[in-house]
Amino acid sequence: AQSVTQLGSHVSVSEGALVLLRCNYSSSVPPYLFWYVQYPNQGLQLLLKYTTGATLVKGINGFEAEFKKSETSFHLTKPSAHMSDAAEYFCAVSEEGRGAQKLVFGQGTRLTINP
Amino acid sequence: DAGVIQSPRHEVTEMGQEVTLRCKPISGHNSLFWYRQTMMRGLELLIYFNNNVPIDDSGMPEDRFSAKMPNASFSTLKIQPSEPRDSAVYFCASSLKGAVTEAFFGQGTRLTVV
Repeated sequence: AQSVTQLGSHVSVSEGALVLLRCNYSSSVPPYLFWYVQYPNQGLQLLLKYTTGATLVKGINGFEAEFKKSETSFHLTKPSAHMSDAAEYFCAVSEEGRGAQKLVFGQGTRLTINP
Repeated sequence: DAGVIQSPRHEVTEMGQEVTLRCKPISGHNSLFWYRQTMMRGLELLIYFNNNVPIDDSGMPEDRFSAKMPNASFSTLKIQPSEPRDSAVYFCASSLKGAVTEAFFGQGTRLTVV
């Protein structure tokens, strides 16, 4: 079964600094990978996804992630943090189930932005 | 489209009572998922449906939990009897089977069992 590990349950950066959230996955087949963001008292919203093709994927709000097969990683980055980026971020891998695709999530990383 | 709609947004109930959570998926989506989110266990997939048929319920914690999808536009998750350890946020999500698509999540139902 596929699985996801997010390194660091809490990450704190200063406003304007680089954001780096780490995600490693385990999969026996080519994975489909996703990053979701959850703001307080909200559902999850897709930031970006990797399926095939270009390994550097750009998403909303200036975020991007790079798929590195050799490292089984899909780290999320943003060059300059903004206060509005404070939220919880989830990495997920798609697992083919019987007749449907389901998402397996990591434990999440809470991002705090310091003024 | 209004997105995935869940009701109620908040539910407080006493231990032993029956609780029913409701979900309306996005029109046209044919896969529906129920997730539970807690601080200790993160996001857990409870059950998912494809074309209204339950495919995998291995994540359902106990027989006290049951889920139904009587038609393409409605699903319920029922807990009977409820216990304090069931307190969590329950999310419903839907997606379109076939191409690799993301799951769209509802706002969640925050359940508190006292």
